[in-house]
Amino acid sequence: DVKVTQSSRYLVKRTGEKVFLECVQDMDHENMFWYRQDPGLGLRLIYFSYDVKMKEKGDIPEGYSVSREKKERFSLILESASTNQTSMYLCASSPTGTGYTFGSGTRLTVV
Amino acid sequence: DQQVKQNSPSLSVQEGRISILNCDYTNSMFDYFLWYKKYPAEGPTFLISISSIKDKNEDGRFTVFLNKSAKHLSLHIVPSQPGDSAVYFCAANRNYGGSQGNLIFGKGTKLSVKP
Repeated sequence: DVKVTQSSRYLVKRTGEKVFLECVQDMDHENMFWYRQDPGLGLRLIYFSYDVKMKEKGDIPEGYSVSREKKERFSLILESASTNQTSMYLCASSPTGTGYTFGSGTRLTVV
Repeated sequence: DQQVKQNSPSLSVQEGRISILNCDYTNSMFDYFLWYKKYPAEGPTFLISISSIKDKNEDGRFTVFLNKSAKHLSLHIVPSQPGDSAVYFCAANRNYGGSQGNLIFGKGTKLSVKP
């Protein structure tokens, strides 16, 4: 089974901190994605990557950046965390095609 | 503008009965649709999918119907079980037949199946 691992289940950070959310997949998938889930808003795409060192903005990239130095790892970076970035963050990966495998999510609280 | 719409935020069904979750989309170029199921504090898991060349796909208790002319799809769960209680997300592939998946999700419908 494909496994997508997000390094933290719960995080609490202070406003203005730089935050790193890590995601690792173990099945050599080309595509990796970061979504955030908020009540009433569903899943919204932040950034995605189709290859190493490649990144594309999703629907809500403001306030975020990403890094993909190795195929298996896709990091989401909050340059200066704000309270409106409190959310559930979900990483996903997929091979060529459309089926995603999601990680378990990171519940981030910014205080 | 929301391209994938799930207009019912919640649905409550009695155990053993049918659950019908609906999804509408606006972009006729979408060619592949998926349903994901999500429990609290877990990531979404893939449930069932359908290509635009089909109008029905069945997997056990789960059936997805696609009406392209109406830009509407629905997920039927028969019979519903308490373990089906979760949030269900409808998703569409906006890569229009390309090999790179890029899914756009609806807002989700919370299904509650009561014993």
